[in-house]
Amino acid sequence: EIVLTQSPGTLSLSPGERATLSCRASQSVSSNYLGWYQQKPGQAPRLLIYGVSKRATGIPDRFSGSGSGTDFTLTISRLEPEDFAVYYCQRYDGSFTFGQGTKLEIK
Amino acid sequence: EVQLVESGGGVVQPGGSLRLSCAASGFAFSSHAMHWVRQAPGKGLEWVSGITGDGGITDHAASMKGRFTISRDNFKNTLYLQMNSLRVEDTAVYYCARRQVGPTGAYETWGQGTMVTVSS
Repeated sequence: EIVLTQSPGTLSLSPGERATLSCRASQSVSSNYLGWYQQKPGQAPRLLIYGVSKRATGIPDRFSGSGSGTDFTLTISRLEPEDFAVYYCQRYDGSFTFGQGTKLEIK
Repeated sequence: EVQLVESGGGVVQPGGSLRLSCAASGFAFSSHAMHWVRQAPGKGLEWVSGITGDGGITDHAASMKGRFTISRDNFKNTLYLQMNSLRVEDTAVYYCARRQVGPTGAYETWGQGTMVTVSS
């Protein structure tokens, strides 16, 4: 079974701070088919990053993605109040597994 | 405007059936692979099933194979999920999602979701 493990489970930070979220795959992700989604309570997920590091349409440049192989990172350079949400990574290279999510909460 | 609108959710007894629909508008529906993703109450996202743009290839998560069937009608711009032999653990919000164009792609557009509750 292909697994994506996100860490930490919960991240407590203040607006203006930098957030670093991790996603580790049990098997290497093919061709960098790795994305990140943001989900707020009561809403559908929203695509932030695809292809490891490409920002989706309308996503501010404070969001960035990096990594390769089995280790990936989502960085939010300077947190805005609207960034506090749950974040999921997903591979879409034939396996469509999601990570279990990281909750980013206000400290 | 690109839009996906799910319908068909509701309350069903264990062992029952439901058919979910996802009406698409604002884009060339047949050009995009489409998927279903679900989220149990208070839990994370779980991939359910996917179908290519022409409907020729489908795939389902292991726990749903043999019970769930994904299909599409490109003339009606509608995606479906037929769910049979429903279990309590199938209770979730079901989202349809549009994949980016290409051999493979992330989920660039999501519907608002439809709630399925399996309970006696």
